[in-house]
Amino acid sequence: DIQMTQSPSSLSASVGERVTITCRASQPITTYMNWYLQKAGKAPELLIYGASNLQSGVPSRFSGSGSGTDFTLTISTLQPEDFATYYCQQTYTSPWTFGRGTKVAVK
Amino acid sequence: QITLKESGPTLVKPTQTLTLTCNFSGFSLSSSPVAVGWIRQPPGKALEWLAVIYWNDDKRYSPSLKTRLTITKDTSKSQVVLSMTNMDPVDTATYYCAHEATLLSLGLRYWFFDVWGRGTLVTVSS
Repeated sequence: DIQMTQSPSSLSASVGERVTITCRASQPITTYMNWYLQKAGKAPELLIYGASNLQSGVPSRFSGSGSGTDFTLTISTLQPEDFATYYCQQTYTSPWTFGRGTKVAVK
Repeated sequence: QITLKESGPTLVKPTQTLTLTCNFSGFSLSSSPVAVGWIRQPPGKALEWLAVIYWNDDKRYSPSLKTRLTITKDTSKSQVVLSMTNMDPVDTATYYCAHEATLLSLGLRYWFFDVWGRGTLVTVSS
């Protein structure tokens, strides 16, 4: 299985800040990377697919980049509704695997 | 509008078989590239992909759970069913089903879970 290592596991930030989350795959996955946001007690929501493609309806402050093994999710200007846990997922090869999550908390 | 909803028991005993049903609407699982997957999340822990069934009846399972899982579809009822045998307390989790969409871009076919059900919490306890 491809292992997905997210960092940091948690971070504290203030509204308006720029936030960056990274995900590293244990082997190259080209751009088969998805990012999800999960608010407490809710189902995950798709943010980014194919490493850099913004899902319809997702605010443009979210962006994704990377290819191969190293990927980044960036929130350009953190909003109150962005405090949540973020997960990366590879779909290069089955079984699909998720990272362990990055919790973005209020500073 | 695509919607999915999970249903099944909220409490199962160890060694029992869990059967979960995903009722969906807004798409057909009998035509065009599409899939429905199951993902679970133990309380306070990360997401874990379990299984997926494709429009063409192809199936994939998590290798670590493969011997315990069975996924099937009933396109006439717009349902996907996941069975997991020999349940254990460590299987206590919220179980989600999700619509897996696909898109072809620059020669690459991407798959992603774009719509999720609300999830159902299953507790395994005697």
